[in-house]
Amino acid sequence: GQNIDQPTEMTATEGAIVQINCTYQTSGFNGLFWYQQHAGEAPTFLSYNVLDGLEEKGRFSSFLSRSKGYSYLLLKELQMKDSASYLCAVRDSETDSWGKLQFGAGTQVVVTP
Amino acid sequence: ETGVTQSPTHLIKTRGQQVTLRCSSQSGHNTVSWYQQALGQGPQFIFQYYREEENGRGNFPPRFSGLQFPNYSSELNVNALELDDSALYLCASSIGTGNDGYTFGSGTRLTVV
Repeated sequence: GQNIDQPTEMTATEGAIVQINCTYQTSGFNGLFWYQQHAGEAPTFLSYNVLDGLEEKGRFSSFLSRSKGYSYLLLKELQMKDSASYLCAVRDSETDSWGKLQFGAGTQVVVTP
Repeated sequence: ETGVTQSPTHLIKTRGQQVTLRCSSQSGHNTVSWYQQALGQGPQFIFQYYREEENGRGNFPPRFSGLQFPNYSSELNVNALELDDSALYLCASSIGTGNDGYTFGSGTRLTVV
């Protein structure tokens, strides 16, 4: 099985930076995804990491360390619309079910004026 | 390109009844996965369909079943509904292994009373 741990909630000010950490314990690993989910809406894809290092996409960056079982999502220049739940998900390499993602419970980010 | 569409958006059923939820995958996507998301939790993998065959299953009982059609659309069927089945049911589609991300629908909110 797998354990995906991330903080429950984080609060930050508009314009600031927030880093959401995710740790995982898996018997296999074939990629880590970050999704954003606004209340009542579909999760939307933010990033995919399979190799160690930093992936940057505009205001969002994601980092992976496979040896440490650790990832973070960095949100820069926070905007009010960034208030949402951020989901960390790991794909298990021990299965042919490439659509099987193990999700953490999500981190609720609250952006204040 | 159209995204993933799910129907209905909301549904109320009585304990013991059966329900069918529907999903139309994004154009060109041949893999469909279904997830159950309880309030305040991350999505939990139910099963995946590829080329009309179930290709991986999560920890859900056999009363959760599905179908995929030649046009890659899919159904989730749940028999003998229980109160704990109340959740948001999400469908996600991808092309093959989904390394470019899985596209989620907005979900069906099922309430069992």
